[in-house]
Formats: sequence, C-alpha cells, structure tokens
Amino acid sequence: KAGVTQTPRYLIKTRGQQVTLSCSPISGHRSVSWYQQTPGQGLQFLFEYFSETQRNKGNFPGRFSGRQFSNSRSEMNVSTLELGDSALYLCASSARLAGGHEQFFGPGTRLTVL
Amino acid sequence: GNSVTQMEGPVTLSEEAFLTINCTYTATGYPSLFWYVQYPGEGLQLLLKATKADDKGSNKGFEATYRKETTSFHLEKGSVQVSDSAVYFCALSVTETGANNLFFGTGTRLTVIP
Repeated sequence: KAGVTQTPRYLIKTRGQQVTLSCSPISGHRSVSWYQQTPGQGLQFLFEYFSETQRNKGNFPGRFSGRQFSNSRSEMNVSTLELGDSALYLCASSARLAGGHEQFFGPGTRLTVL
Repeated sequence: GNSVTQMEGPVTLSEEAFLTINCTYTATGYPSLFWYVQYPGEGLQLLLKATKADDKGSNKGFEATYRKETTSFHLEKGSVQVSDSAVYFCALSVTETGANNLFFGTGTRLTVIP
C-alpha cells in the first residue's frame, strides 16, 4: 500500500501571498489531519477532515483553511502569508475517526516565507 | 485541557546504553497514548501505542507502559543503537471526542554515539 503523499515537498513564498498544499491519504483512509511543526511551537493540530467534512479544528487564525474531496484527498490553504507561517506542514491519515487509531504521516511540505 | 509534558533534550548516549525518555500527560477524557519517532528529513512514524491503563506498547526493542495512577507513559529501551538517533514525540488523543487529533509533547532529540 502506498503511504501518505504530500505535494509539493518544498515551497518558497513571499509575505502576503497565498499557498495551497496537497495531501493524498493511504487508500481507504477517510480521515485526514493537518499539523504544523515549528521549532518554537512544536507540533500543533490544524484541522481534521472526515468524509469531506471538517470534524475538528485547532487554534489557528482563519487564514488557514482546508477541504477534503470525495476521494479523501485533502488540501490546505494559507492566505496572506506571514513570516511566522514558515514551518513543516504534516498531513496524517487514519482509517477511522475515533481516537486511539493510528495516524500515518506523510513526509511533510516545508514552507518558507520570505 | 489536554497536554503532554516531555523530558527536555537533547539526550546523548553511547551505543548499548539504557534509554529512558519521560512523558507525563493531562487529559480531559480517557486518552490513548503514543510515541512517534521522526528521523531527519522525514515525517513522523508511529513507534508504539497503548490505549488503556496498564497496557504496554512495544516495538523494535522500545517499550512504554500506560500508567494511569502517575499519568505517565515513559519510553525505554535496554540497549540503544546508532540507528535510534532521531527525535521522539510523546502524544495523546482523547477517545471520547470522536476526533483523531493528537496532542504532542515538545520532542526529545536522541543522539547515539558509537
């Protein structure tokens, strides 16, 4: 089974731009979660989608948004980029929504905002 | 709220030394507990998990026991190898919420020297 894939792997943007990141979950997985990893804040939960519906959201501003398609692929969008948005963005998929189930992580997208 | 407190790093050990990385948690519900490992340039991989009190998770020589009375989930390995050098994250998810999101500790960087 192919793992979680994320595209692109690296991205450089300038302040004020917007960016879209993509995540393809493991085949058959319907839950996709997004996390931001920074040296200062560590790993922080952004949001989770299940069957095209946002089920859970972390404490991030409205500039961060996401969506999930009928094939479970997910995208996250960050508008009006700030320097502090530079981070590794990780996507994780899971077969089920309930906690306790393993989440499989992709390699991440490294976003640099200049 | 839900949070994880993890032993500060970095930790440097000689090959074949004993490893302990402390992890304690607070949770509003009944959590499942996880240890994830991140190798350089990669995403997170699940190392082991435990979903109820007194469960012991184990994998690749690593072990951790879910201790409800001390709200702890310490990671141990009897004899580390150079290939174990990585960043280790303790995490929890709260089963009752029906959501998958993980709450992570700050991570502990382990370096094993030959």
